Amino acid sequence: DQQVKQNSPSLSVQEGRISILNCDYTNSMFDYFLWYKKYPAEGPTFLISISSIKDKNEDGRFTVFLNKSAKHLSLHIVPSQPGDSAVYFCVSRGSARQLTFGSGTQLTVLP
Amino acid sequence: NAGVTQTPKFQVLKTGQSMTLQCAQDMNHEYMSWYRQDPGMGLRLIHYSVGAGITDQGEVPNGYNVSRSTTEDFPLRLLSAAPSQTSVYFCASSPGGQPQHFGDGTRLSIL
Repeated sequence: DQQVKQNSPSLSVQEGRISILNCDYTNSMFDYFLWYKKYPAEGPTFLISISSIKDKNEDGRFTVFLNKSAKHLSLHIVPSQPGDSAVYFCVSRGSARQLTFGSGTQLTVLP
Repeated sequence: NAGVTQTPKFQVLKTGQSMTLQCAQDMNHEYMSWYRQDPGMGLRLIHYSVGAGITDQGEVPNGYNVSRSTTEDFPLRLLSAAPSQTSVYFCASSPGGQPQHFGDGTRLSIL
């Protein structure tokens, strides 16, 4: 049973527009969430995180929103750039720093 | 500063063969871990270590062994390779409480 779900395998957005990537989780014990970005033939790289005591965290063009009651996260990228094209993983961090990954969303930003 | 280095990048094995995937980090991180990524899925935790001499199982540990004799190295051993272990393997490290840094992966095919 997937504890972290990314229901959209792919998303295409025009350059300059907003990209919204969504994620749902089932385990209410998760208290820290991260987004990782992955390019082909490379390892995932950390993008942004949020603690469960917050509902928003912003870093430049990237903002993560957390709705604990709905067990839902979203990552907003504004404005989207072609270099943002990658697979984005929604990740929860549990005990002993174990990470639980969603299946990923392939974002394509069209020039 | 090389970060997390994984070797080899590619490997083909026959069923029943053994091999060791190497992982080294030069950041003096206490925490290291191994993940596998299969098509259409997120990364799944195999084994992890919170420091030299300490290892523990993750979500999918069967068929794999690990050891942590030094802070820098965390090798993953396949004792008798099976086709189900065909995957891309990622090693990661982190200092306490911080996001994990990933290597670029080892693509393993078992025939």
